[in-house]
Amino acid sequence: DAGITQSPRHKVTETGTPVTLRCHQTENHRYMYWYRQDPGHGLRLIHYSYGVKDTDKGEVSDGYSVSRSKTEDFLLTLESATSSQTSVYFCAISENYSGNTIYFGEGSWLTVV
Amino acid sequence: DQQVKQNSPSLSVQEGRISILNCDYTNSMFDYFLWYKKYPAEGPTFLISISSIKDKNEDGRFTVFLNKSAKHLSLHIVPSQPGDSAVYFCAATFSGGYNKLIFGAGTRLAVHP
Repeated sequence: DAGITQSPRHKVTETGTPVTLRCHQTENHRYMYWYRQDPGHGLRLIHYSYGVKDTDKGEVSDGYSVSRSKTEDFLLTLESATSSQTSVYFCAISENYSGNTIYFGEGSWLTVV
Repeated sequence: DQQVKQNSPSLSVQEGRISILNCDYTNSMFDYFLWYKKYPAEGPTFLISISSIKDKNEDGRFTVFLNKSAKHLSLHIVPSQPGDSAVYFCAATFSGGYNKLIFGAGTRLAVHP
């Protein structure tokens, strides 16, 4: 198993509150990603990082921000959670920028009520 | 507009038989394709991949076929086992694309004894 730890694994929060999900890796991989999984959509990319302090938007980035201050940690923040952000969030890592296997963490279940 | 499509939401197969999962894509820039298996409450697990310079890749019971002209790939599982019951996601990316994956919606495979 790739050394990826997501926290928290489960969280229930209220609409309008900030939420931060953490992804920690022990593989020293340069590339890290946040995806969300929703029924009928597969997984969709929220944000990704190609190095410390280097991040960019994915296809569903509205309402989310990220930060990467260390190689091993990639944080996803919902500044003001909405019910549409109720989802399962997966962190992923990749060693190189192209043609490599991408490994996923076990997921964080977020419910916004 | 879905760039990667898995048109069969579910598939039921008898143990020992072949399972064939299909995936179509629209973006001709995609040149690297991956299959992931996902059990409930777990993260996606990498299964097998194929580069566009190949038309077949094999790994044990799993074989992926790529038909570039038809923009179609398929995953064959032979023989199917009950432990193969899971949701299978097809994903695509392109060279220089930071391994950002575009996923299909998934196919739920049920293998019956």
